[in-house]
This record gives sequence, structure tokens and C-alpha cells, in this order.
Amino acid sequence: NAGVMQNPRHLVRRRGQEARLRCSPMKGHSHVYWYRQLPEEGLKFMVYLQKENIIDESGMPKERFSAEFPKEGPSILRIQQVVRGDSAAYFCASSPTRQYNEQFFGPGTRLTVL
Amino acid sequence: SQQGEEDPQALSIQEGENATMNCSYKTSINNLQWYRQNSGRGLVHLILIRSNEREKHSGRLRVTLDTSKKSSSLLITASRAADTASYFCATDAGSGGSNYKLTFGKGTLLTVNP
Repeated sequence: NAGVMQNPRHLVRRRGQEARLRCSPMKGHSHVYWYRQLPEEGLKFMVYLQKENIIDESGMPKERFSAEFPKEGPSILRIQQVVRGDSAAYFCASSPTRQYNEQFFGPGTRLTVL
Repeated sequence: SQQGEEDPQALSIQEGENATMNCSYKTSINNLQWYRQNSGRGLVHLILIRSNEREKHSGRLRVTLDTSKKSSSLLITASRAADTASYFCATDAGSGGSNYKLTFGKGTLLTVNP
């Protein structure tokens, strides 16, 4: 059973460009979570999605950031008009159920904004 | 206030010694989880302890939870060089309903010297 897959693993963007990060949850998992980790920091919750629904996006900046989890295909975290402060590691996690969560994390996408 | 603060921030020991890391939190929880992160990699789930449990073992890992003190400890016995990593505790939001939202501390960087 493959784990959570994220791609790309490393992404370099210039200021003002768009970044698209992809996450494929573990097989059988329908709940996806995105977290951001700044250097020397712990992970910070961004958004929680189920198939075709955003459940909680309270940790996501209101502007430039969006997330989706379509019926088919991976979950996408999209950052428009990136700025240097967006440079971070973005982790996706998945779980089969909300209760007594054991969230399984992907390897992360390291975004560098030049 | 920050949930899930680990202590110490860094710990250096010799191979074969035991390593103890502590985590404190501020609000009520359903579960507390410990994760390991090797440098530049994703998070690996180590162990979950529920709020009604006091101690849990998994291989060389022993986790305790004291809900009255809002603290947890992770003990790694007979450490190995391969245990070198950052260790994070993560708590959920307890009775507030959003128990999918994990809050991480900044982690303890463990270095095991051969």
C-alpha cells in the first residue's frame, strides 16, 4: 500500500509566479490535510478537505492560496503570485476517518521562491 | 498560546543511552501523537496515545501522558545513530470539534553520536 505521495518534491519559482503542489492520499483515505513548515518551526495547519469539499480552511491565508480535492485525481494546493515568504515545506497528510486521527504524512514539497 | 511545545530544543547523547523528550500543551486534547522527521524529509508517525491512556509502548519507544499536568514524554531506549532526527509532538483540539487539526511544537532535535 503506497503511502501519501506528493509532487514535486522540490519546486523553485520566481516572485509573482504560480506554484501548484499535488498530493495523492493513501489508498482508501478520503480526508486530506495540508500543513506548512517554515524553517526551524513546527508544522502549521492550513486546510482540511474531503472529496469535492473544503471542510476547514482556517489556517490558509485568505489571499493567493487555494486548495481543492476533486472527485478524481490528487488534491492541489495552489499559490498564486508567490512571494519570498511563501518559501517553506508544504506537507500533505491523509486519514481514513476524522476520529482518533492518525494522519499519515507525505514527504513534502519544498518550495523556494527566488 | 502555543500548543505542543517540546523540551529540550536539542539533545545530544551517545549511542546506547536513553533519550527523553518532553511535550507540554495548554488545552484539553483527545489524542497526543509523536512524529519523527529526518533532516529534509517528511514526518513518520511513531505513536498515538489517547487522553484516557497513561502509558504506551512500541518497540524501543515509551510514551507517557499526564493530562493533569498537560504533558507527555517520549523515551527512546538504547538509542542508535539512526535515531538522529527531530521529534515532534502533535495535539488535536480536544472537545472543540476540530480534532483533525493537529498542532505541532517546534520539535526536539536529537543527535545520537556513534
